[in-house]
Amino acid sequence: GAVVSQHPSRVICKSGTSVKIECRSLDFQATTMFWYRQFPKQSLMLMATSNEGSKATYEQGVEKDKFLINHASLTLSTLTVTSAHPEDSSFYICSAQTSGRAGTQYFGPGTRLTVL
Amino acid sequence: RKEVEQDPGPFNVPEGATVAFNCTYSNSASQSFFWYRQDCRKEPKLLMSVYSSGNEDGRFTAQLNRASQYISLLIRDSKLSDSATYLCAVSALYGQNFVFGPGTRLSVLP
Repeated sequence: GAVVSQHPSRVICKSGTSVKIECRSLDFQATTMFWYRQFPKQSLMLMATSNEGSKATYEQGVEKDKFLINHASLTLSTLTVTSAHPEDSSFYICSAQTSGRAGTQYFGPGTRLTVL
Repeated sequence: RKEVEQDPGPFNVPEGATVAFNCTYSNSASQSFFWYRQDCRKEPKLLMSVYSSGNEDGRFTAQLNRASQYISLLIRDSKLSDSATYLCAVSALYGQNFVFGPGTRLSVLP
């Protein structure tokens, strides 16, 4: 159980375009989903916390107008990187949190974004 | 002081060795504790939750020390396939304030 999918797994786009990444919890409902970014050989960096039906909470230094998050249902959150630039190239990983006392996070397989 | 700290390593150990990692946390209200494993260019995967009384899963043993605010992961009889980065995570009740450590890199050498 606790399977999270993420699509696409890899995307290459031109500078200035927008890219949409989907994160789905397949076998459980996730009130809360998280979006992370990870640069090569660096730690996971939390970008934002996405709560179903409400606005996302962004971490300091993350531009909310550039990284649009929508959490329209209990099984789907999307991250749109708007007007992508080469410095946005990174590994973007979502996670979905189970309900209950423990609130374990399960990760999607990640999306490798390359902006040319 | 960072909320969750880990020795980044790398820990280079020979196959068959026993290796242990610690992870310290600063929030005394933390209630849930986890170890994740992340392979290169892959997503983190839950390795095990850490229970108050300590718990074991095969070659892996996790322990919690609330008084000193750290959790530990012990790997016995290391395999080459154990080479990865090990991330600890802590959270308050119901998953609030979920924070990951920066990870400890382990290389098991033949």
